[in-house]
Amino acid sequence: AQKITQTQPGMFVQEKEAVTLDCTYDTSDQSYGLFWYKQPSSGEMIFLIYQGSYDEQNATEGRYSLNFQKARKSANLVISASQLGDSAMYFCAMREKKDRGSTLGRLYFGRGTQLTVWP
Amino acid sequence: KAGVTQTPRYLIKTRGQQVTLSCSPISGHRSVSWYQQTPGQGLQFLFEYFSETQRNKGNFPGRFSGRQFSNSRSEMNVSTLELGDSALYLCASSLAQPGANVLTFGAGSRLTVL
Repeated sequence: AQKITQTQPGMFVQEKEAVTLDCTYDTSDQSYGLFWYKQPSSGEMIFLIYQGSYDEQNATEGRYSLNFQKARKSANLVISASQLGDSAMYFCAMREKKDRGSTLGRLYFGRGTQLTVWP
Repeated sequence: KAGVTQTPRYLIKTRGQQVTLSCSPISGHRSVSWYQQTPGQGLQFLFEYFSETQRNKGNFPGRFSGRQFSNSRSEMNVSTLELGDSALYLCASSLAQPGANVLTFGAGSRLTVL
């Protein structure tokens, strides 16, 4: 089974509007971490935001916020006030607890959502 | 401070050849992970190195190997290249500390196998 599911291959949003990118995850661990990365056409993965499974508050980083619903196993990314420069591929990723003992470098990624911001 | 540096950025090889990719992590980062990104399979974990030791390996054949040097720089090698090895190879470094332990990625090495 897929550990990370991103159901939206592509999303379009007008500049200055808000957009939500969906992410659901599958794990049997109680302790895990969820990440969102942005990948522009240049290829570099850029870290956006992190949410730990025990964090009670939804994470926020500037215009990015993570809508964490633990019971539904969802971790949607909300981008407020979209900008043209936000056009990129967005990946949701998870680190599981059982990987933390032996390694902290393994993330499971979804297939991504291509966001296009139009003027 | 300097980010994660990957070289070469682009390379073209033919089937059967071998290739070595290099990754210089952020100063102070001791963990280096490698990922393969293809349109068909997405982003897949290859392996992670910490203190010159391979800590974890993804589900890839033995043709894929890597190593880490005492200065934390890492290389990955793919031998007997196949067409399906054409991909963007991403390296990421981290402090390897509990908590978020954010991976910082390089710009990648784009390999084309003809």
